[in-house]
Amino acid sequence: GQQVMQIPQYQHVQEGEDFTTYCNSSTTLSNIQWYKQRPGGHPVFLIQLVKSGEVKKQKRLTFQFGEAKKNSSLHITATQTTDVGTYFCAGRMGRGGGSQGNLIFGKGTKLSVKP
Amino acid sequence: GAVVSQHPSRVICKSGTSVKIECRSLDFQATTMFWYRQFPKQSLMLMATSNEGSKATYEQGVEKDKFLINHASLTLSTLTVTSAHPEDSSFYICSARPTSGSSYNEQFFGPGTRLTVL
Repeated sequence: GQQVMQIPQYQHVQEGEDFTTYCNSSTTLSNIQWYKQRPGGHPVFLIQLVKSGEVKKQKRLTFQFGEAKKNSSLHITATQTTDVGTYFCAGRMGRGGGSQGNLIFGKGTKLSVKP
Repeated sequence: GAVVSQHPSRVICKSGTSVKIECRSLDFQATTMFWYRQFPKQSLMLMATSNEGSKATYEQGVEKDKFLINHASLTLSTLTVTSAHPEDSSFYICSARPTSGSSYNEQFFGPGTRLTVL
């Protein structure tokens, strides 16, 4: 079936180091979303990417959508303890940029930051 | 804005009983709501898509007679776990997608409901 693979599963970094998590889909995505779930909390929407090759930035976070719209990455520059949590990607299946297909979540990358 | 509430936040029930979980969009209308299940240390698994005024669409492997979904209004969807068993114990999360507006493509998640079946 349709899958969204996310790696790594866990990442431990020293505060100030960079962090990257990657998502890969077996099929072309119409769009991809990223969520952050703090320990004990619920997922919070971060961003949506729609266009092939799209790059978006939110302060220290950089999100990329691959040219083939099958992979995506989230990069955090100079991590802080407030970045701790699990980052999920969620790909919407289909070729258009629309919102009709189901959202398939990756398994998430759990980030821990050592002060 | 864009707040989704869930009730109850925690519920403990005996095996064989039914439990209803409510999901409400507090400050927006949501034609579509989603129900997810999250096992410990695992990702969210989509159970079903709930559309206001019509039958829910269930994902493969999810029993529709066991997980009853009702989406009677643009701000409320309910999930009823019927004849609950210990293996149904999990964290259930709903999300709602605004009917219109700049946040149309976003999903806003509720805080989740921890179900424990004894």
